[in-house]
Amino acid sequence: DSGVTQTPKHLITATGQRVTLRCSPRSGDLSVYWYQQSLDQGLQFLIQYYNGEERAKGNILERFSAQQFPDLHSELNLSSLELGDSALYFCASSEDNRDEQFFGPGTRLTVL
Amino acid sequence: GQQVMQIPQYQHVQEGEDFTTYCNSSTTLSNIQWYKQRPGGHPVFLIQLVKSGEVKKQKRLTFQFGEAKKNSSLHITATQTTDVGTYFCAGPDNYGQNFVFGPGTRLSALP
Repeated sequence: DSGVTQTPKHLITATGQRVTLRCSPRSGDLSVYWYQQSLDQGLQFLIQYYNGEERAKGNILERFSAQQFPDLHSELNLSSLELGDSALYFCASSEDNRDEQFFGPGTRLTVL
Repeated sequence: GQQVMQIPQYQHVQEGEDFTTYCNSSTTLSNIQWYKQRPGGHPVFLIQLVKSGEVKKQKRLTFQFGEAKKNSSLHITATQTTDVGTYFCAGPDNYGQNFVFGPGTRLSALP
């Protein structure tokens, strides 16, 4: 158990819909990262927050947005969903930018 | 932007054979990390290398960081079925603006 929790574990929805994925980092970790992993693919970095502020942005679509709240949990919002958005979405946390990352179990999103 | 490449993409070995995966970055990395993702699981941190030319060992796993801090390798001696999974290298660039994962090397093994 990495100490990072993600909910929900599975999510099935239809094209055009909007969903919110939630992540609680390890106690004490200030950085939260979001990654997308499509079937048998690598980890695509989406976005990073540090202590409530956006720190780095990767290949995140404009239809996607994220935020980190004062209690350090984070949410990833995916809107106008398309079939191609079906993937595993991982959240990870670390103490700071250059530290090891602890990954949550992921949320498997299926868009039908 | 910064790119991190890994070779090979796939590697199939017989149990007991050695295995090596290589990681190359287009820019200098302040440190490099290795992660392992078992099938159906999430990435798990293995190790971090910081110094130029650094070598670290974890039982049958040997990790190296290149002198120029632009490449790294992971060598597994006498592969076991428990080693099966995808191995990712990753690291922040020197500007700390982005965290880059390589595409991974998927290791499969037959007993």
